[in-house]
Amino acid sequence: DVKVTQSSRYLVKRTGEKVFLECVQDMDHENMFWYRQDPGLGLRLIYFSYDVKMKEKGDIPEGYSVSREKKERFSLILESASTNQTSMYLCASSIPTGFSGNTIYFGEGSWLTVV
Amino acid sequence: ILNVEQSPQSLHVQEGDSTNFTCSFPSSNFYALHWYRWETAKSPEALFVMTLNGDEKKKGRISATLNTKEGYSYLYIKGSQPEDSATYLCAFMGNNQGGKLIFGQGTELSVKP
Repeated sequence: DVKVTQSSRYLVKRTGEKVFLECVQDMDHENMFWYRQDPGLGLRLIYFSYDVKMKEKGDIPEGYSVSREKKERFSLILESASTNQTSMYLCASSIPTGFSGNTIYFGEGSWLTVV
Repeated sequence: ILNVEQSPQSLHVQEGDSTNFTCSFPSSNFYALHWYRWETAKSPEALFVMTLNGDEKKKGRISATLNTKEGYSYLYIKGSQPEDSATYLCAFMGNNQGGKLIFGQGTELSVKP
């Protein structure tokens, strides 16, 4: 069974803290993604990576950075957490575009509250 | 930012009712249209990936159609059951977007016994 694991399900952090959200996939996928889910706004792409050490900004990258040092791991970093970053964060992975199917596999989500 | 819209936002039906939702997406630079089902406290899981105009896909009581020329897809559920209650997401992938999916806001389906 395919697996995308987000290490922290529920976090509470203080404003100004540095926050790391970790994601690991066991499918040897090239592509990895970080999305944010907010009520009424749907899933919005923060960053994605199509290879180790490669990253591209999504639609809402401000206030976030990412790291992909190994193929299986994609980290989302909030350099200085703010209350408007309270949200549910979803990690996902997929094979590269151009291959049949190209389904995205999601983790179970990380609920972050910034107080 | 590309726009993907789903309607309705939410739907409440009785067990046994058939239902359908709509996903509208850009009709240019089309590569694929995905449908996902997202149950509360679980990960979204893929239902269909559709790539060809006129595609029809079916999985049990759930089916989907695709019209890339006019930019819409329909998801149908025949004889809804309480276990069908979930949020249904569609996502558009363009052929110039490097594998990114642009999601709609989702349709939240609630099926009452």
